Amino acid sequence: GAVVSQHPSWVICKSGTSVKIECRSLDFQATTMFWYRQFPKQSLMLMATSNEGSKATYEQGVEKDKFLINHASLTLSTLTVTSAHPEDSSFYICSARSGQVLGNQPQHFGDGTRLSIL
Amino acid sequence: AQKITQTQPGMFVQEKEAVTLDCTYDTSDPSYGLFWYKQPSSGEMIFLIYQGSYDQQNATEGRYSLNFQKARKSANLVISASQLGDSAMYFCAMREGRGNFNKFYFGSGTKLNVKP
Repeated sequence: GAVVSQHPSWVICKSGTSVKIECRSLDFQATTMFWYRQFPKQSLMLMATSNEGSKATYEQGVEKDKFLINHASLTLSTLTVTSAHPEDSSFYICSARSGQVLGNQPQHFGDGTRLSIL
Repeated sequence: AQKITQTQPGMFVQEKEAVTLDCTYDTSDPSYGLFWYKQPSSGEMIFLIYQGSYDQQNATEGRYSLNFQKARKSANLVISASQLGDSAMYFCAMREGRGNFNKFYFGSGTKLNVKP
């Protein structure tokens, strides 16, 4: 089945640094990738949708300059948390979908990244 | 209004028994899809089952079945013969919209605990 690889799985860094998270589709071309954030014991919250080669579409309340998304190729999207602060600590998870959207295609999720800002 | 509602924050079930996790949804789009995902404590999202809005029959995948009641806008997940490994968070999700502009909406999740 389709595989999405997310890296790193866990990162701890100091406040003020920038952190880049990669999301790769390993065996299919992901024309659309989604980035989610999940707080402990809560649901996934969609942050942004990125289509390959175009600017990401951010959900209301998500800072574009804070969470930079790049979807430069059909297999790679990156989320960069700029000047991270403790309140950015969370679980970030990406998902990917191939181009032709059929009704029963689930989104394929990465394993997530636990970000801890000290 | 919330797109997906899961009213059970936590559920307990005895091993080998069946359990139903509730999910209701809200959409005016005639074409939509409903999904259930399992999220173990390790965090990864595991796709379980899908139901399309035009599907006549309830979806089944092994021990998972989806009780789809379109008029009531409900899509409950039924897990038969619960196993200890079924203990996890379960999320109901809906896809609405078309093409590259469709989105997934997730419910708040249900924490399932299977007791030995």
